[in-house]
Amino acid sequence: DVKVTQSSRYLVKRTGEKVFLECVQDMDHENMFWYRQDPGLGLRLIYFSYDVKMKEKGDIPEGYSVSREKKERFSLILESASTNQTSMYLCASSFGGIEQFFGPGTRLTVL
Amino acid sequence: GENVEQHPSTLSVQEGDSAVIKCTYSDSASNYFPWYKQELGKRPQLIIDIRSNVGEKKDQRIAVTLNKTAKHFSLHITETQPEDSAVYFCAAMGYGNKLVFGAGTILRVKS
Repeated sequence: DVKVTQSSRYLVKRTGEKVFLECVQDMDHENMFWYRQDPGLGLRLIYFSYDVKMKEKGDIPEGYSVSREKKERFSLILESASTNQTSMYLCASSFGGIEQFFGPGTRLTVL
Repeated sequence: GENVEQHPSTLSVQEGDSAVIKCTYSDSASNYFPWYKQELGKRPQLIIDIRSNVGEKKDQRIAVTLNKTAKHFSLHITETQPEDSAVYFCAAMGYGNKLVFGAGTILRVKS
């Protein structure tokens, strides 16, 4: 049974803070993804990674960066959080580019 | 890049009736089309998917149809039950094995 976990379910940060969101998967999946989910906009891809130390920009990478030092862990970094980054953040992993398994999500509020 | 449009944004049906959600995509090279279900407060989960070499796929009460010429695909749920109430997302796999999601459909099944 695939398990994708995220470091926090809820997070409140202040404008300008550096924020780290962590995602861990236990199925040796090569692919990992970060999405943000906003009402009426669906899931939008921020960054993804096909392998350790590899990263690719998704559709909305501005204001974000990522790190993948180990295969099982994919971190999303908000260098200087802003109020428009208040959202639900979902991590996902997959093998072979097919079914993506999602984590429970982190609801981030930036004040 | 790929663009996916999903309709309707909300759908209310009476228990036992059928529900149909439609999506269109823009990239004719897309070849994989999954549907995800997200119950309130939970993570999205894959419920059915279809590849471009197949026109229809069925799994118990749910089915997906694909029209490659028209570039649209649909989710059909028959004999709806209250537990079908959720947000449904369609997606298309385009360039670089990235999934592009539709905006989502809120399905309410009234008992």
